[in-house]
Amino acid sequence: DAKTTQPNSMESNEEEPVHLPCNHSTISGTDYIHWYRQLPSQGPEYVIHGLTSNVNNRMASLAIAEDRKSSTLILHRATLRDAAVYYCILRDEGWGGGTSYGKLTFGQGTILTVHP
Amino acid sequence: NAGVTQTPKFRVLKTGQSMTLLCAQDMNHEYMYWYRQDPGMGLRLIHYSVGEGTTAKGEVPDGYNVSRLKKQNFLLGLESAAPSQTSVYFCASSRGGLMNTEAFFGQGTRLTVV
Repeated sequence: DAKTTQPNSMESNEEEPVHLPCNHSTISGTDYIHWYRQLPSQGPEYVIHGLTSNVNNRMASLAIAEDRKSSTLILHRATLRDAAVYYCILRDEGWGGGTSYGKLTFGQGTILTVHP
Repeated sequence: NAGVTQTPKFRVLKTGQSMTLLCAQDMNHEYMYWYRQDPGMGLRLIHYSVGEGTTAKGEVPDGYNVSRLKKQNFLLGLESAAPSQTSVYFCASSRGGLMNTEAFFGQGTRLTVV
């Protein structure tokens, strides 16, 4: 399985942009890049995903390098509520019992601290 | 919108006791998953289901059993709880198993085995 590498922690100030990096040098051509976040004492929450092109949604933007070996999650204006563990995941195809399922393999993630 | 609901939210078991964790989703999703999360670690897949009546093993299935009798429910059973099963358990569901869909997670069940 392709792996991702993220910094253990990052800090930001409220209302400033945050760029969360992720390296995935062994990514395959069909791996989608997913980002989830986990707020304290809650389940993971989907943030964004993409394959090759940059993606935007109401929560964040995802910038994908041209060679797809790295990506960056961009929070345009961090709020205190964005303090969480952010997971960069390559959702690959898992197989079990002859059936495909989208396998989400969670690593350690990046702990984002947002200062008032 | 309820999304994914897990019952119970907290539970303390004695070693050797059994229990069932219930996961219910109201999004008509085909795929459902059970994960566990230990302190300071990422989530690990226990079992999953690709549709009603089907189940399959994930990465850490030992000591657990599952059932998916109804599409909206996915049950995780511990037949004889052990302290090593102390963890936070998360259920998730997704519309499909393909790589281009998002997963929705429940709020978790915090289980302590003493």
